[in-house]
Amino acid sequence: EDQVTQSPEALRLQEGESSSLNCSYTVSGLRGLFWYRQDPGKGPEFLFTLYSAGEEKEKERLKATLTKKESFLHITAPKPEDSATYLCAVQATGANSKLTFGKGITLSVRP
Amino acid sequence: NAGVMQNPRHLVRRRGQEARLRCSPMKGHSHVYWYRQLPEEGLKFMVYLQKENIIDESGMPKERFSAEFPKEGPSILRIQQVVRGDSAAYFCASTQTDRSYEQYFGPGTRLTVT
Repeated sequence: EDQVTQSPEALRLQEGESSSLNCSYTVSGLRGLFWYRQDPGKGPEFLFTLYSAGEEKEKERLKATLTKKESFLHITAPKPEDSATYLCAVQATGANSKLTFGKGITLSVRP
Repeated sequence: NAGVMQNPRHLVRRRGQEARLRCSPMKGHSHVYWYRQLPEEGLKFMVYLQKENIIDESGMPKERFSAEFPKEGPSILRIQQVVRGDSAAYFCASTQTDRSYEQYFGPGTRLTVT
């Protein structure tokens, strides 16, 4: 069974204080690993897809990396508007395209 | 360019009533996924549908829950005889094809059972 574990559950940062969010996964065969951002009362917003170990993607202050067992979402010099819950999900190879999600990491950035 | 649309956004039902949740995928998308988010838990897959076909319903509770995606109109998630434990946020996502990677989510329907 595919599993995704995210840590820490919650993270409080001062504005400008860089940090990393962890996503550990086990999957029979990885088709893709996804990062989403979710604001309170809203649906998940797509951020990145990573396909193979060693891959990196960047968007503004966010950078996602992937190894064979985990992914990191690095946040450089965060701002209060980066406060949200960050979700990690995996998609296994095979005919079914369902996503298996972790519980998410709630990030709070203080001004 | 409208994204995934869901309605209603909030739904209140008494125990024993039926709940109908609707999802219109992004324009050009013909694959729909439904997920449920319980308080303090992650998103859980429920069902995957194409037009007029259920592809994977492995995450659907065996009783009271059903889903459809007709040739015309939105996808419907139907919950019969709701119980308090059904209170959750229900999200749908869509993709263009079965080979597409990224799933784009709607704003969700928050179901409260009283």
